[in-house]
This record gives sequence, structure tokens and C-alpha cells, in this order.
Amino acid sequence: KAGVTQTPRYLIKTRGQQVTLSCSPISGHRSVSWYQQTPGQGLQFLFEYFSETQRNKGNFPGRFSGRQFSNSRSEMNVSTLELGDSALYLCASSQGDSSYEQYFGPGTRLTVT
Amino acid sequence: AQKITQTQPGMFVQEKEAVTLDCTYDTSDPSYGLFWYKQPSSGEMIFLIYQGSYDQQNATEGRYSLNFQKARKSANLVISASQLGDSAMYFCAMRERSNYQLIWGAGTKLIIKP
Repeated sequence: KAGVTQTPRYLIKTRGQQVTLSCSPISGHRSVSWYQQTPGQGLQFLFEYFSETQRNKGNFPGRFSGRQFSNSRSEMNVSTLELGDSALYLCASSQGDSSYEQYFGPGTRLTVT
Repeated sequence: AQKITQTQPGMFVQEKEAVTLDCTYDTSDPSYGLFWYKQPSSGEMIFLIYQGSYDQQNATEGRYSLNFQKARKSANLVISASQLGDSAMYFCAMRERSNYQLIWGAGTKLIIKP
């Protein structure tokens, strides 16, 4: 069974631009969660989608948004990039309600200059 | 309030020794799960072990075991017979039934010495 895939793996953007990151969950998994990891703030929850609906959202500004498609693939978008958005963005998939375990992708390392 | 606390920012351990990584948590939800993840320098988060709040026995997965002390709200990871490849960041995380997100500790950087 293929694992969680994230594209692109690395990204360099400039301030003010917008970016879209993609995540394909493990086949059969309906839940996708996104996390931001920075040296200063550690790992922080962004949002979680289940069956195309956002179930939970972390404490991030509205510049951070996401969506999930009918095939469970998910995208997250960051608009008007700031230097502080430089981070490793991790996507995790799980089966959903009945399973606690989350399996992570390799992450997308975003650098904002 | 800090929900997950990992008090060891870094640890050095001799190869083949056992190592215990500490984790304490705080929740009022009676139903929750506790996780340990390993993050090598490559960045990928690797799932190691899971313990449910209602599980009667401590979880084990190969060389990994979780020392779950519910009354103390403690969920320490024990790695037996450490190997050089165990060098990585280790994160403790919790997921409450009432919440869909993982709440993370600050992590412990483990370095195995040959």
C-alpha cells in the first residue's frame, strides 16, 4: 500500500506570493490533517478534513486555507506569504472516526524570502 | 496550558543501552490516545507506538514499549537495545476523542553514541 505523498517536497517563494501544497492520503483513508513545524513554535495543527468537510481548525490566520476533494486528496493554500510562514508542512492521513493513528507524508519544506 | 510536556530537550545514550523518553500529558477527556513519533533529519514523521486511554496493558511494538501510568498522566517511551539509527527527534502527542487534532510535545533529540 502506498504511503502518504506530498508535493512539492521543496518550495521557495517570495513575500506576498501565494502557494498551494498537495497531499494524497493512503488509499482508503478519508481524513487528512495538516501541521506546520517551525523551530520556534514546534508542531502546530492547521486543519483537518474528513469526507470533503473541514472538521477542525487550528489557530492560524485566514491566509491559511484548505480543501479536500472527493478522492480524499487535499490541498492547502497560503496567500500573501510572510517570512514567518517558512516551515515544514506535514500532511497526515487516517481512516477517520474509528482510527486514532495518523500516518505522515515526507512534508513540504517552504522557504519564504 | 501545556497539554504535552517532554522535559528532556536532548539525550545522549550509548549504543545497545535502553533509553526512556519522558512524556506527561494533561486532559479532562476520559477518552484519548497517546502517540510517539520519530522524526529523523530527513523530516518525515514516523509513527512508532500508540496507547489508548482505556487500554489495560502497555503497548509494545518491537523494540518500543510505552510505559503508561494513567494516574500520573505519564506515557514514557522505552527503546530497548538502542541502535545508531535511533538517533532522531522523538515526539509525544495526544489526541482527545472530543478533538480531531494531534497535540504535540516539544520533542526530545536523542543521539546514540557508538
